[in-house]
Amino acid sequence: AQTVTQSQPEMSVQEAETVTLSCTYDTSESDYYLFWYKQPPSRQMILVIRQEAYKQQNATENRFSVNFQKAAKSFSLKISDSQLGDAAMYFCSNNAGNMLTFGGGTRLMVKP
Amino acid sequence: GAVVSQHPSRVICKSGTSVKIECRSLDFQATTMFWYRQFPKQSLMLMATSNEGSKATYEQGVEKDKFLINHASLTLSTLTVTSAHPEDSSFYICSARGGGSYGYTFGSGTRLTVV
Repeated sequence: AQTVTQSQPEMSVQEAETVTLSCTYDTSESDYYLFWYKQPPSRQMILVIRQEAYKQQNATENRFSVNFQKAAKSFSLKISDSQLGDAAMYFCSNNAGNMLTFGGGTRLMVKP
Repeated sequence: GAVVSQHPSRVICKSGTSVKIECRSLDFQATTMFWYRQFPKQSLMLMATSNEGSKATYEQGVEKDKFLINHASLTLSTLTVTSAHPEDSSFYICSARGGGSYGYTFGSGTRLTVV
């Protein structure tokens, strides 16, 4: 069974500052992808960033980057220069076994 | 980019009636679609996986006779909540596999309220 754990139910960051959201996962698969999704109040799931497990290089997408530690099964998300529009629920997920398994989510609040 | 259209966005129904939710992939073929349920302030819980032309695979604890899933074409999957009860009130989200390598595209969700 796949499990994804997000240990931070809520996080807060000052606008323009940097914040890191934590995620650990467990899988017996060797080939998988990891994702971070953002869910704003509209509840539309938006892909933030994706990491292929076989790639050692950490994925980056503009202000968003990940720290992927495969041996430790850790996949944290760093948001730089935080903006008010970044406020949302963030879900870490793993697609081992074709379906997506989600963590419990982290609510990010951005203070102006 | 890949788009998944989910309708209706909101529905209120009376207890005992059935409600159908549609999930369409607009610009790609989705061989696999997923249905999730999300309670307030909680994560997405997978209900079932549907593959075009075959029976859906339900997660443990999900009543297949209550939540009927049909994936009749490569672009359409439907979830029918039968004999709805107030405890079925929730936010339902579909997701389609496709639209790019290892892409999962989500619908905008359906808020179901059973009164």
